Amino acid sequence: SQTIHQWPATLVQPVGSPLSLECTVEGTSNPNLYWYRQAAGRGLQLLFYSVGIGQISSEVPQNLSASRPQDRQFILSSKKLLLSDSGFYLCAWSSSGWYEQYFGPGTRLTVT
Amino acid sequence: KQEVTQIPAALSVPEGENLVLNCSFTDSAIYNLQWFRQDPGKGLTSLLLIQSSQREQTSGRLNASLDKSSGRSTLYIAASQPGDSATYLCAVRANNNDMRFGAGTRLTVKP
Repeated sequence: SQTIHQWPATLVQPVGSPLSLECTVEGTSNPNLYWYRQAAGRGLQLLFYSVGIGQISSEVPQNLSASRPQDRQFILSSKKLLLSDSGFYLCAWSSSGWYEQYFGPGTRLTVT
Repeated sequence: KQEVTQIPAALSVPEGENLVLNCSFTDSAIYNLQWFRQDPGKGLTSLLLIQSSQREQTSGRLNASLDKSSGRSTLYIAASQPGDSATYLCAVRANNNDMRFGAGTRLTVKP
């Protein structure tokens, strides 16, 4: 069966510090991968998606970036965090044909 | 641009009641629609996926319907239980990778 992991589970970082969140998927190959942000009281916002290694599409302009160094690894990064980057970050995957999305447990990021 | 709306934003019912959650979308040209459950501080759990060619899907006490022409989907929960308390989200996929989420309905089932 397929599983998706995210770490860390929680993170508190000062403004201006770098960020690296990691997501890995097990039990499938060549998945589509997604990063979402869920701000308090708001819906999910798609940040990035990837259909293959090194292929990243960005949905919104911001100081975040994403990379996919391996087939089942997706990384969300920032060089300098802003207060507005606080939120709940969710990674998800789907197969290339069925498109049912499966989510990871999320990372709670607080920028102070 | 696809917009997804969920009404009501919050709902409180007594245990055992049947209930319906609503989801509406503005663009009927969808690929599929997915219902999720989210517990506080947790990720999303997929409940049901309806392809654009389907009218409904069922899983246990849950039944989801889709009416593309009117831009609506409903999630029916039969014989609600306190364990059903969570936020329910619907998401509409318009093409391969454009998925739009509603803001969710926060359900509380009282014992």
